[in-house]
Order: sequence, then C-alpha cells, then structure tokens
Amino acid sequence: KAGVTQTPRYLIKTRGQQVTLSCSPISGHRSVSWYQQTPGQGLQFLFEYFSETQRNKGNFPGRFSGRQFSNSRSEMNVSTLELGDSALYLCASSKGQGGNYEKLFFGSGTQLSVL
Amino acid sequence: GESVGLHLPTLSVQEGDNSIINCAYSNSASDYFIWYKQESGKGPQFIIDIRSNMDKRQGQRVTVLLNKTVKHLSLQIAATQPGDSAVYFCAENIRGASYGKLTFGQGTILTVHP
Repeated sequence: KAGVTQTPRYLIKTRGQQVTLSCSPISGHRSVSWYQQTPGQGLQFLFEYFSETQRNKGNFPGRFSGRQFSNSRSEMNVSTLELGDSALYLCASSKGQGGNYEKLFFGSGTQLSVL
Repeated sequence: GESVGLHLPTLSVQEGDNSIINCAYSNSASDYFIWYKQESGKGPQFIIDIRSNMDKRQGQRVTVLLNKTVKHLSLQIAATQPGDSAVYFCAENIRGASYGKLTFGQGTILTVHP
C-alpha cells in the first residue's frame, strides 16, 4: 500500500508570491491534516480536512488555506509569502472515521524556502 | 501545550544499550498519545501509541509508559541500534478532538554510537 505522497519535494519562492502544495493520502484514508515544521517552533498543526470539509484549524493567519477533493487528495495554499513561512510542510492522513483511536501517517513533506 | 523547538534535548547512547526518552505533556484532557521517529529528510514515522486508560504498552523493542498523575510519557528502546538514531517526538490528542489534530512535543535527538 502506498504511503502519503507529497509534491513537490522542494520549492523555492520569493516574498510576496503564493505557493500550492499537494498531498495524496493513503488509499482509503479520508482525513488529511497539514503541519508546519520549523527549527524554532517544531511541529504545529495547520488544519484538517475530512470529506472535503475543514473540520479543524490551527492558529495560523488566513494566508494559509487548504482544500480537499472528492478523491481525498488535498492541497494547501500560502499566499503573500513571508520569509518566516520557510519550513517543512507535512501532510498526514488517517481513516477519519472517528470514535476510535486512529493512527496518523505522515508524508515526507515539502521543503519550502522563501527568499 | 504548544510545541517549543528552540533547543532539542539530546540523548547519546552506545549500541546495545537501552534508551529512555521522556516527554511531559500539559493538557489533562489528552487521552491518546503517540511516539514518532523522524529521520533526516523524512516525515515522522509512527512508532507506538497508548490510550489514557493504559499505563504501559509494548511493541517490538519499544515500550511506552504513561503516568497521568504527573503528565509524563516515556519511550524505552531496548538494545538500541545505530538505525535508531533520529529525532523522537511525543504527540498528544485531546479527548473529543479529531485524530488529525495532534500537539507535538519539542522532540529529542537520539544518537547511537556503534
């Protein structure tokens, strides 16, 4: 079974630009979560999508947004990039059925550098 | 609690030794805990999990202990190998929250010397 797939692996952007990252969850998983990882702040939750609806959101500005498609694939978008947005962006998936303790599986991430 | 990642604790051990990695959590409403291993250039990899109604759980070469009284979690790795060298994170999920939302600890760097 293929794991969580994230594309692209690396991205370099300049301040003010926008970026879109893509995530394909494990087959059969309907929940997709996004995390930001930086050396200073560690791993921080961005948002979670389930059945094309955002059901949880972390403490990030509105420049960070996401969406989920009917096939459970997800994208996240960051607009008006700032230097501080440089980070490893991780996508994770789970079955999302709720009611049971579910394991969260991560992709390898997209390393975003903002110059 | 929020993740603070300015200075990661480090643990250095010799191959074959047992390793113990500790984690303190802050939210008494957390009822599900997970340990992840992250190697350089990769995403976090699931190691073992434990629910709050348990105080110990064992896997292959790993044991997780949960002490809810003092809000403390530990990961024990038996017969540590060089391939165990990585950053280890504990993560917690708050009761009632969906399982896609985890709060991560700062991480501990484990270095295993041959």
